[in-house]
Amino acid sequence: LAKTTQPISMDSYEGQEVNITCSHNNIATNDYITWYQQFPSQGPRFIIQGYKTKVTNEVASLFIPADRKSSTLSLPRVSLSDTAVYYCLVGVGSGGSNYKLTFGKGTLLTVNP
Amino acid sequence: DAGVIQSPRHEVTEMGQEVTLRCKLISGHNSLFWYRQTMMRGLELLIYFNNNVPIDDSGMPEDRFSAKMPNASFSTLKIQPSEPRDSAVYFCASSFTPDRNQPQHFGDGTRLSIL
Repeated sequence: LAKTTQPISMDSYEGQEVNITCSHNNIATNDYITWYQQFPSQGPRFIIQGYKTKVTNEVASLFIPADRKSSTLSLPRVSLSDTAVYYCLVGVGSGGSNYKLTFGKGTLLTVNP
Repeated sequence: DAGVIQSPRHEVTEMGQEVTLRCKLISGHNSLFWYRQTMMRGLELLIYFNNNVPIDDSGMPEDRFSAKMPNASFSTLKIQPSEPRDSAVYFCASSFTPDRNQPQHFGDGTRLSIL
């Protein structure tokens, strides 16, 4: 199965917009793309989810191109408290035993003052 | 409402011992996922249940691992016998419907150390 890949780390400053991309070139046809945030010693926390085009909620936007082989999480005007690891989650494979829910390895976002 | 509750939060035991991790789902949720997190392999799905029925256990490492849902609100993950390579943080998560695309609600994990 193809991997789900993300950058290992990113650095930013307070007030900047941050974009984190996940590549998932073998995404299952009917599956959504979901992003989670994780702080140390806590479980991942749901941020946003989408199937195609653009989704926006109160904390983030998610951009998904037409081929759905990647997705970009956009965090507007980050603050120090946004320092965390961000994961994408997708189903990969064509179904049956070839299907697997797969987390990316995570992107450590560090927001600097 | 209470979130997903896992116990214990930390466990340290010697290799060869049986380990049981526990998870209480959010009330009304119908799907349950067990994950393992390590530095090397990241978050790996071990098994998930819909309506108490195991749907995909292909991520369970080997026969030493077993998971059950004795009722709709509770699950256990058992390792017998445990080995040092089982050391990891184990998370359970629940979701509202038996739809793998539903957002998952995670507990805060059990940090397991096998000596």
